[in-house]
Amino acid sequence: DVKVTQSSRYLVKRTGEKVFLECVQDMDHENMFWYRQDPGLGLRLIYFSYDVKMKEKGDIPEGYSVSREKKERFSLILESASTNQTSMYLCASSLIAGGETQYFGPGTRLLVL
Amino acid sequence: GDSVTQMEGPVTLSEEAFLTINCTYTATGYPSLFWYVQYPGEGLQLLLKATKADDKGSNKGFEATYRKETTSFHLEKGSVQVSDSAVYFCALLTQGGSEKLVFGKGTKLTVNP
Repeated sequence: DVKVTQSSRYLVKRTGEKVFLECVQDMDHENMFWYRQDPGLGLRLIYFSYDVKMKEKGDIPEGYSVSREKKERFSLILESASTNQTSMYLCASSLIAGGETQYFGPGTRLLVL
Repeated sequence: GDSVTQMEGPVTLSEEAFLTINCTYTATGYPSLFWYVQYPGEGLQLLLKATKADDKGSNKGFEATYRKETTSFHLEKGSVQVSDSAVYFCALLTQGGSEKLVFGKGTKLTVNP
């Protein structure tokens, strides 16, 4: 079974802090994705990566950056957290392009005070 | 751009009732279509998918048929159970260049005993 794990289930941070959200997958998937999920808005893509050290902006990249130094790990960074970044963050991974299924982690619920 | 529209919830049913959640899409070409489910406190799981017109995806008693003519992928189940209570997301995989999932806003289903 594919396993995608996220470093924290719940996180509370203060405005202005630098926040790291970590995601690890164990199935040697090339693609990794970060989404945020908000009520009434569904899932929105923040960043994605098709290979190590490679990244592409999604639909809402502002205020975020990412890092992919190893194939299995994809980090989401909030350079200076703000209250409007309070959300559920979901990581996903999939095999190389071609209609493949994305597998999701359990999510990190982030509260920025 | 590509988009997915699914019926707004919440939907409340009694056990053994028939379920339909409507989903229509706008896209270039013929994208792969997916239904994901999110149980309380968890990440998203793939429920079913279809990769070409007239394909029927099915899993756990749920079904959806890829209808090219009506650009639809409605989710159905003949007899729902309390354990089906969850949020359901319809999604398409964009084609050409960077393949990304585009999600609907989600439909919350509650099944009462």
